[in-house]
Amino acid sequence: EVKLQQSGDELVRPGASVKISCKASGYTFTSYSMHWVKQRPGQGLEWIGAIIPIIDTTEYNQKFKGKATLTADKSSNTANMELSRLTSEDSAVYYCARLPDNSRFAYWGQGTLVTVSS
Amino acid sequence: DVVLTQTPSILSATIGQSVSISCRSSQSLLDSDGNTYLYWFLQRPGQSPQRLIYLVSNLGSGVPNRFSGSGSGTDFTLKISGVEAEDLGVYYCMQATHAPNTFGAGTKLELK
Repeated sequence: EVKLQQSGDELVRPGASVKISCKASGYTFTSYSMHWVKQRPGQGLEWIGAIIPIIDTTEYNQKFKGKATLTADKSSNTANMELSRLTSEDSAVYYCARLPDNSRFAYWGQGTLVTVSS
Repeated sequence: DVVLTQTPSILSATIGQSVSISCRSSQSLLDSDGNTYLYWFLQRPGQSPQRLIYLVSNLGSGVPNRFSGSGSGTDFTLKISGVEAEDLGVYYCMQATHAPNTFGAGTKLELK
């Protein structure tokens, strides 16, 4: 069974950084890119970027360059996203997702709520 | 960035009714490789999104066949043939032809 298990909710101070993890199981981690999506409270979905673990190549939405850094740890089958210089605009639920272009099978993590507050 | 315009923004339906959601793109989504990278997702209240349709018209795993997708170029439609209670939530289209991937603003399906 494919599963994407995300790390727990975070409460962080403005200006700080936070790292969210997404542990993949049930498939070969390096065979699929991992996407990250942001959802502010009551709002729609926003694509942050994706990483291809096998070659450590990343693609970012220009809007999130400098804000989000995507990495992948092949030894632990874990994708990570670090968000820096946090402001209230970064308060959101963040999802990791396996979204292959041409496959019936797509999976999402359960989401990680990041709350930026002093 | 490609803008996806979904209509309607709110859709009220009765159980058993057939409904359609439109997704119009600001640019053609036909890629040079011949594929059209247009997808549909459903997000039920309090849940993560799930992908219903990939590449315009292909059903995702476990997705009931009352869902269907169609369209080409800039105009796409998701149809539900006989709404069931479990279909309530927010539907999003997403394109991955042009970087960056972008989502429509969503269509909320609610019970009339």
